[in-house]
Amino acid sequence: NAGVMQNPRHLVRRRGQEARLRCSPMKGHSHVYWYRQLPEEGLKFMVYLQKENIIDESGMPKERFSAEFPKEGPSILRIQQVVRGDSAAYFCASSPDNSGVSTDTQYFGPGTRLTVL
Amino acid sequence: GNSVTQMEGPVTLSEEAFLTINCTYTATGYPSLFWYVQYPGEGLQLLLKATKADDKGSNKGFEATYRKETTSFHLEKGSVQVSDSAVYFCALKSGNYGGSQGNLIFGKGTKLSVKP
Repeated sequence: NAGVMQNPRHLVRRRGQEARLRCSPMKGHSHVYWYRQLPEEGLKFMVYLQKENIIDESGMPKERFSAEFPKEGPSILRIQQVVRGDSAAYFCASSPDNSGVSTDTQYFGPGTRLTVL
Repeated sequence: GNSVTQMEGPVTLSEEAFLTINCTYTATGYPSLFWYVQYPGEGLQLLLKATKADDKGSNKGFEATYRKETTSFHLEKGSVQVSDSAVYFCALKSGNYGGSQGNLIFGKGTKLSVKP
């Protein structure tokens, strides 16, 4: 069973460009979470999605950031008009459906390291 | 609000030394508690977890006990190895969306370096 996949692993953008980060959850998982890790910091929650629904976006900046998890395909975290302060590692995690198995655990991908020049 | 506080690093130990990384939390209700480990350049891996008071999570020689009375979940290992060098994150799961999903709240991480 493949783990959580993220791509690209490294992304370099110039200020003002758009960044698109992709996350494919583990097979059988329909819950996706995005976290941001700034240098020397812990992870901060950004958004929680299920297929075609945003459940909780309380950690998302109000502007320039958006996320989606379509019926088909990976979850996308989109950052418009990037600034230097967006440079960070962005991690995606997934958890399984409520199907009688433990849903407490989130499984993390390897992350996308975004550098804004 | 909910929060996690863990001891600041870096922590440097010699091989076979005893390890303790302190973690305390503030939360409403009954959160689940986790320790994740991050090796250089990689994502987070679940190390262990506990879902209710007095539960002990254990894995790879690491263990932590969910102490509700002291709101703590300290990580311990009796004899560390060089390969344990990594950053360790304590986390709690908050929120309840009709199931057990909900975002994780992380401490800032503790960097452990083990010298041969």
